[in-house]
Amino acid sequence: NAGVTQTPKFQVLKTGQSMTLQCAQDMNHNSMYWYRQDPGMGLRLIYYSASEGTTDKGEVPNGYNVSRLNKREFSLRLESAAPSQTSVYFCASSFRGWNTEAFFGQGTRLTVV
Amino acid sequence: EDQVTQSPEALRLQEGESSSLNCSYTVSGLRGLFWYRQDPGKGPEFLFTLYSAGEEKEKERLKATLTKKESFLHITAPKPEDSATYLCAVQAEDDKIIFGKGTRLHILP
Repeated sequence: NAGVTQTPKFQVLKTGQSMTLQCAQDMNHNSMYWYRQDPGMGLRLIYYSASEGTTDKGEVPNGYNVSRLNKREFSLRLESAAPSQTSVYFCASSFRGWNTEAFFGQGTRLTVV
Repeated sequence: EDQVTQSPEALRLQEGESSSLNCSYTVSGLRGLFWYRQDPGKGPEFLFTLYSAGEEKEKERLKATLTKKESFLHITAPKPEDSATYLCAVQAEDDKIIFGKGTRLHILP
């Protein structure tokens, strides 16, 4: 019973490089989310997908793009990484919207140098 | 402006010493308040959802309560394994989710 799986767990990028963070859930959830967590700050929503085929911006979308590849997978892309994007990224999913219990992945620790 | 404030930022307790964590909020139209537990290096783990003032939920040594302005997470006779960061989040009427910064709880054996 894997739940929400994120890859990779750790990544170091140079400024200007691009990369994609992968997220997959096996709980048949409709809604998926990408958050970032920085020291001294609460979790902040980057993008979310209420259902397959839809994506919407969250609180801090600049510098990111997302793809809801299918019901299971929701990827986050950094086109040109910046040091300000150094953070821990969490993917989460819920059956339908936040009112249904949300499950988080283990996180991806990204450092941009 | 919608916001969520958790206090204290950090709390150290002896094993068995009960206490409460606070989550105060100002949002336009509360749709739900959520408590999560986060262990170091892990993602948050869902604990409770509260929807209306007066509602209470319990799980083992944890009890969450809700008023119109704040929520409390009461920890009764805590054990070292209860050590974690506890996160509070609220859902506003526009469905926006706002997380607090968390309370780091450390239970000493």
